[in-house]
Amino acid sequence: SQTIHQWPATLVQPVGSPLSLECTVEGTSNPNLYWYRQAAGRGLQLLFYSVGIGQISSEVPQNLSASRPQDRQFILSSKKLLLSDSGFYLCAWTAGYLRGYTFGSGTRLTVV
Amino acid sequence: DAKTTQPTSMDCAEGRAANLPCNHSTISGNEYVYWYRQIHSQGPQYIIHGLKNNETNEMASLIITEDRKSSTLILPHATLRDTAVYYCIVLASGTYKYIFGTGTRLKVLA
Repeated sequence: SQTIHQWPATLVQPVGSPLSLECTVEGTSNPNLYWYRQAAGRGLQLLFYSVGIGQISSEVPQNLSASRPQDRQFILSSKKLLLSDSGFYLCAWTAGYLRGYTFGSGTRLTVV
Repeated sequence: DAKTTQPTSMDCAEGRAANLPCNHSTISGNEYVYWYRQIHSQGPQYIIHGLKNNETNEMASLIITEDRKSSTLILPHATLRDTAVYYCIVLASGTYKYIFGTGTRLKVLA
């Protein structure tokens, strides 16, 4: 069966520090991969999505970037975190639009 | 993708049916209606989806009006564990990305 792993679960980082969040999917090949962010008390904001290795689409201009170095690995990065980057970061995958999304357990990032 | 409108919040008594409405008046013929829910501090969970026929699974039922401009998610016997934010999304065939709105915050009361 397919599973999605996302880590770490919580992270506290100082302003200006770098960020790297990793997401991996098991049990499937060529998944569509997504990064969402949810600010406290707000809805989910789509940040990036990828339909293949090296293919990244950015939805919101910001100081974040994403990479997909392997088929089932999706990485969210920042060179210098801002206070506004705090939030709940969720990775998701789907095998196709009719299959629905499966979300990871999320990373709660607090920038101090 | 068509925009959806949902009430901000709803309450439901435990054991009663919870009926969550969604308006998608600009939906086009190839757009599906999806429902997800997000329990506090977790990732959203897929519930059900449909195109024009009513659908039912082990979690819920989805009723889509004949003109497809609105739909209702029905949780037949709500429990306290159904307290969550429920998102209604419309998605065109072949589209890869979901845009989530603010959803309906359902509170099931004991």
